[in-house]
Amino acid sequence: KAGVTQTPRYLIKTRGQQVTLSCSPISGHRSVSWYQQTPGQGLQFLFEYFSETQRNKGNFPGRFSGRQFSNSRSEMNVSTLELGDSALYLCASSYGDRGYEQYFGPGTRLTVT
Amino acid sequence: KNEVEQSPQNLTAQEGEFITINCSYSVGISALHWLQQHPGGGIVSLFMLSSGKKKHGRLIATINIQEKHSSLHITASHPRDSAVYICAVSLSGTSGSRLTFGEGTQLTVNP
Repeated sequence: KAGVTQTPRYLIKTRGQQVTLSCSPISGHRSVSWYQQTPGQGLQFLFEYFSETQRNKGNFPGRFSGRQFSNSRSEMNVSTLELGDSALYLCASSYGDRGYEQYFGPGTRLTVT
Repeated sequence: KNEVEQSPQNLTAQEGEFITINCSYSVGISALHWLQQHPGGGIVSLFMLSSGKKKHGRLIATINIQEKHSSLHITASHPRDSAVYICAVSLSGTSGSRLTFGEGTQLTVNP
């Protein structure tokens, strides 16, 4: 089976712009979680989608949003980018919504200038 | 105080040494995960456990639910084991796959 894929792998944006990141889970996996990793805050949970429904949301402002499609692919969007949004954005997929191992994608490294 | 704490933060070892990384948590959990992150960012799940002990090759993970403590052991360490090791937990009483992470342990194994 192919692993979790994320596109793009690298992205440079300017403050105030918006960005959309994509995540394709492992075939058959219905849960997709998104995480932000920064040197200062470490890994933090953004949100999780299961069967096209947002199941959990982390403590991030409303500028961060996401969605999941019927084929389980997920996108996250960040509007009005700030310098502090520069980070590695990771998605992880799992078969079910609880008690299953998570498989991580390679991440998208976003730089905001 | 973080809900998940790891020690040590940094660890340098010589090839062949036995390595232990510790993780303590202060919340109720349904599972504990050990993850490995190499330079470049990719994260690999090493173990998911809710009780007892698991072994995979040279890696062993144990968990003590009563003491809220887990350890990751690496036997016969090798330079390719150099990576950041992250402890993460799935909180009990919550639905979904949300993980709460420790700060990670940077392991360097010298030849």
